[in-house]
Amino acid sequence: ETGVTQSPTHLIKTRGQQVTLRCSSQSGHNTVSWYQQALGQGPQFIFQYYREEENGRGNFPPRFSGLQFPNYSSELNVNALELDDSALYLCASSLGLAGPPYEQYFGPGTRLTVT
Amino acid sequence: GQQLNQSPQSMFIQEGEDVSMNCTSSSIFNTWLWYKQDPGEGPVLLIALYKAGELTSNGRLTAQFGITRKDSFLNISASIPSDVGIYFCAGHLGPYYGGSQGNLIFGKGTKLSVKP
Repeated sequence: ETGVTQSPTHLIKTRGQQVTLRCSSQSGHNTVSWYQQALGQGPQFIFQYYREEENGRGNFPPRFSGLQFPNYSSELNVNALELDDSALYLCASSLGLAGPPYEQYFGPGTRLTVT
Repeated sequence: GQQLNQSPQSMFIQEGEDVSMNCTSSSIFNTWLWYKQDPGEGPVLLIALYKAGELTSNGRLTAQFGITRKDSFLNISASIPSDVGIYFCAGHLGPYYGGSQGNLIFGKGTKLSVKP
């Protein structure tokens, strides 16, 4: 069974640029959630995708957007990067309606640094 | 954003000691989960709790879903060096209280370190 994978591992961008982060869900999982984890904090929910549609969103501005593909992989896009966007971005997959709905399994994360 | 209150923020352990930590909220939660995160890695799910009063074990770890539905506890018995890391509690409000399926709310974590 393949776990959740994310790419890239690390990324450095300049303020104002755009970034795309990628996530492959765990084998058999059809739901992907994205979280932002600032240093010394717990993860904060950004949004979730189920059946290629956004299925809930946290308190993040519209410049945070996402996609889910037919193979359940997902992308997180952030436009007009700000210094405060520097964080670890975590992707988590779950079984959606087919299993324990709130048990989410996390990938290793992408460390984004905005300068 | 909303966060759960975890305590203690940090603690030092000596091999063989039992460890306790807890998580509280002003809101009622439908589900409680406990995760462990090692440096440079994503959180790993340890235990999930779905019913008030539920007590669940995973090896040396035991967690409880508080009766009031506003708290949860995690105990680690006979700690070993690999228990070092950051432990997060996470809760879900459930669909009737505005919680979308993905919206886990996390505490700030309890950092476990080895006593010097």
